[in-house]
Amino acid sequence: NAGVTQTPKFQVLKTGQSMTLQCAQDMNHEYMSWYRQDPGMGLRLIHYSVGAGITDQGEVPNGYNVSRSTTEDFPLRLLSAAPSQTSVYFCASSYARSGGTEAFFGQGTRLTVV
Amino acid sequence: DAKTTQPNSMESNEEEPVHLPCNHSTISGTDYIHWYRQLPSQGPEYVIHGLTSNVNNRMASLAIAEDRKSSTLILHRATLRDAAVYYCILYRGSTLGRLYFGRGTQLTVWP
Repeated sequence: NAGVTQTPKFQVLKTGQSMTLQCAQDMNHEYMSWYRQDPGMGLRLIHYSVGAGITDQGEVPNGYNVSRSTTEDFPLRLLSAAPSQTSVYFCASSYARSGGTEAFFGQGTRLTVV
Repeated sequence: DAKTTQPNSMESNEEEPVHLPCNHSTISGTDYIHWYRQLPSQGPEYVIHGLTSNVNNRMASLAIAEDRKSSTLILHRATLRDAAVYYCILYRGSTLGRLYFGRGTQLTVWP
């Protein structure tokens, strides 16, 4: 099982550039989420999706867009990169259950904006 | 969302049991208690979750207080590989897969 796959693993952007972080899962999970983690901090939710075609904002959505056209893929777009978006980004997926189930996380994308 | 409180750091010796506490005094009746851990330079990893009864799996045990205002993650024999940040998270039906992480507890395991 591949689980949750994130690409790329590392990326350096210049201020103002745009890019898309890819996330794919092969477990047929309904829920998918994007988080960012700054040094010494816990993860913060950027956007999430409860199924194909349905997305919503999390705690820190500004500067990011998402879409979910298929169950498997949940890309995160940085519209105009800023140094404040330097962070490690994690994608996660899980089944939809009332008490929650095990969420699977990708290995992360380390993004530096210069 | 209901909040949890954990110590910033704890230490243990290898092969000793570790008890990681979590306070969640504002927990509601439908909140599940989830634990994740994050090894260095990796994504978080699910450990265990429960509602009211104590839970065991191959990684750890979860002891939940009778009033559910606190819980304890128990690692029965710590190994060097257990050195990680441990997060205690409350999850309810309306959470829709979202996880709200605090700063967690940094566990150091000494050989």
